[in-house]
Amino acid sequence: DAKTTQPPSMDCAEGRAANLPCNHSTISGNEYVYWYRQIHSQGPQYIIHGLKNNETNEMASLIITEDRKSSTLILPHATLRDTAVYYCIVRVAGYSTLTFGKGTMLLVSP
Amino acid sequence: GAGVSQTPSNKVTEKGKYVELRCDPISGHTALYWYRQSLGQGPEFLIYFQGTGAADDSGLPNDRFFAVRPEGSVSTLKIQRTERGDSAVYLCASGQENTGELFFGEGSRLTVL
Repeated sequence: DAKTTQPPSMDCAEGRAANLPCNHSTISGNEYVYWYRQIHSQGPQYIIHGLKNNETNEMASLIITEDRKSSTLILPHATLRDTAVYYCIVRVAGYSTLTFGKGTMLLVSP
Repeated sequence: GAGVSQTPSNKVTEKGKYVELRCDPISGHTALYWYRQSLGQGPEFLIYFQGTGAADDSGLPNDRFFAVRPEGSVSTLKIQRTERGDSAVYLCASGQENTGELFFGEGSRLTVL
């Protein structure tokens, strides 16, 4: 699987948009981008995934660049409960295992 | 509840002892995964089951670790001759076949003294 690079930490003010970047410059054509988050003392939680088109669901939006070498997870109105470690993962289609890195620790402050 | 259930939530044991950790996946999920997570690190893949068989056990660190899923539902992770380095949170996840959308349990925290 292609490797991903994320900043170790980010801060965001409550109510503002949180934009979490991820670089995956070696991504292959059959690899999807997945985002998970892990709130303290809980198991990881699936957020969203995409191949090449932008995606949106009730939790977040995923913007993937045209060359697919990077992506951004957007939490449009961050709340204190969004404080968590966010993992960007690249996964080959049809292959089930997810490989987690260290992720980005997002701290949402009042 | 309808989520992935792991027991025990906490386990303290002595070096050299045998430990079993149990995972009850979401009903109907054919895929089941075990990960372990050390402090400050992301989850590390251990083993993946599709149905009753281990489809990928490449993450098991050594032969002290073994996992079973005899009926394609509940899984047990077994650790023999525990070492202090085995201390971690062991996470179980389930999902549909070939999907990257996994549902994780809360984990079993293992402490080896």
